[in-house]
Amino acid sequence: AQSVAQPEDQVNVAEGNPLTVKCTYSVSGNPYLFWYVQYPNRGLQFLLKYITGDNLVKGSYGFEAEFNKSQTSFHLKKPSALVSDSALYFCAVRGYNTDKLIFGTGTRLQVFP
Amino acid sequence: EAQVTQNPRYLITVTGKKLTVTCSQNMNHEYMSWYRQDPGLGLRQIYYSMNVEVTDKGDVPEGYKVSRKEKRNFPLILESPSPNQTSLYFCASSLWTGVDQPQHFGDGTRLSIL
Repeated sequence: AQSVAQPEDQVNVAEGNPLTVKCTYSVSGNPYLFWYVQYPNRGLQFLLKYITGDNLVKGSYGFEAEFNKSQTSFHLKKPSALVSDSALYFCAVRGYNTDKLIFGTGTRLQVFP
Repeated sequence: EAQVTQNPRYLITVTGKKLTVTCSQNMNHEYMSWYRQDPGLGLRQIYYSMNVEVTDKGDVPEGYKVSRKEKRNFPLILESPSPNQTSLYFCASSLWTGVDQPQHFGDGTRLSIL
């Protein structure tokens, strides 16, 4: 069965510091991995995806994510956090040959000035 | 502007009173889906549709109905709402040309069932 875990409910980071939001997954076959961001009173917005190829994926707003097959992880990163990055972040996975997208429970990122 | 539109955005109602949450997309997407978001549980899929007249259950379909008579619309129906259906609901759509397509989300509907 597919599953995705976001082990941290909240991540706190100072503005200007690098940030990491963790995600691990379990899926049969090759995974299709996504990160979404949710701002208050808004729907989820697509940030980036890993389908195949380069393990480092670049996305919107300066975010990137690193796919690690041996550790079944897809951590979201940004070299220098902004206060405006404060939001709820969701990792999602879809396995090969399935039409179901499974979301993690979300990680709240708080960036302090 | 490409968007997924949900209505209403907020609704407070009582147990047993039928309600419908509408969802419309203007991107000609084949795939549409409904999710509910609850604290600590993330997003869970209620129903999805891969095209007109094709709908399937997601992970938590009990107490909900959907229909897909037109490509752009995918309403969520609660025939007899109960308090455990109090939640934040999202409609989403995507192209169905492959599993790598990201989903576009509406801004959500917050339902309170008293």
